[in-house]
Amino acid sequence: QSALTQPASVSGSPGQSITISCTGTSSDIGTYNLVSWYQQHPGKAPRVVIYEITKRPSGVSSRFSGSKSGNTASLTISGLQAEDEADYFCCSYATGDTYVFGSGTKVTVL
Amino acid sequence: QLQLQESGPGLVKPSETLSLTCAVSGDSISSTSSYWGWVRQPPGKGLEWIANIFYSGDTYYNPSLKSRVTISVDTSKNQFFLRLNSVSAADTAVYYCARVQLLCFESWGQGTLVTVSS
Repeated sequence: QSALTQPASVSGSPGQSITISCTGTSSDIGTYNLVSWYQQHPGKAPRVVIYEITKRPSGVSSRFSGSKSGNTASLTISGLQAEDEADYFCCSYATGDTYVFGSGTKVTVL
Repeated sequence: QLQLQESGPGLVKPSETLSLTCAVSGDSISSTSSYWGWVRQPPGKGLEWIANIFYSGDTYYNPSLKSRVTISVDTSKNQFFLRLNSVSAADTAVYYCARVQLLCFESWGQGTLVTVSS
């Protein structure tokens, strides 16, 4: 069970949109519409911002959106704000009632 | 409001057993809509799923850790537990407990750092 592949870092200026990719296999992302995304600020616990590919929990900004194509899921943050600077991890349900997380992406607001 | 609180030794010797408790408040661990799980994060690295459990005792393990891990639950105390055997320095991490709903880690504890060192 290998970690899902994410870019190590993504950056953008305030107000811009950025997209983080998360690539898996046919044993996880490719088969299940059960991808979630987590935001983690330094020294804090992760917080879910997207679940089931596209759904936002109550209280999460509408600037966060998700999508999936084939074995790759994506998280888009629009109208980038300073508070969005954090690490982001994807996670997918996988074959055998297991879960696999992504390698993580550091988002920098320039 | 749901709260999850991890507790356990912050220092474990190599080859020994790591034991952690997650105390749940604000929700019943016997809820039929929730699973309960453990996730860890080595310093400066990514997240790794360890295991999940349902209140009935059904368990699910990361294949790479399955031979060393046991997850269990005590519904009377509204707590669940993690045991990791034969630890090494590679098991040094922040360990988080979480509530799993809709197959997503929906709520997290604050995490507890466990260091493996002699």
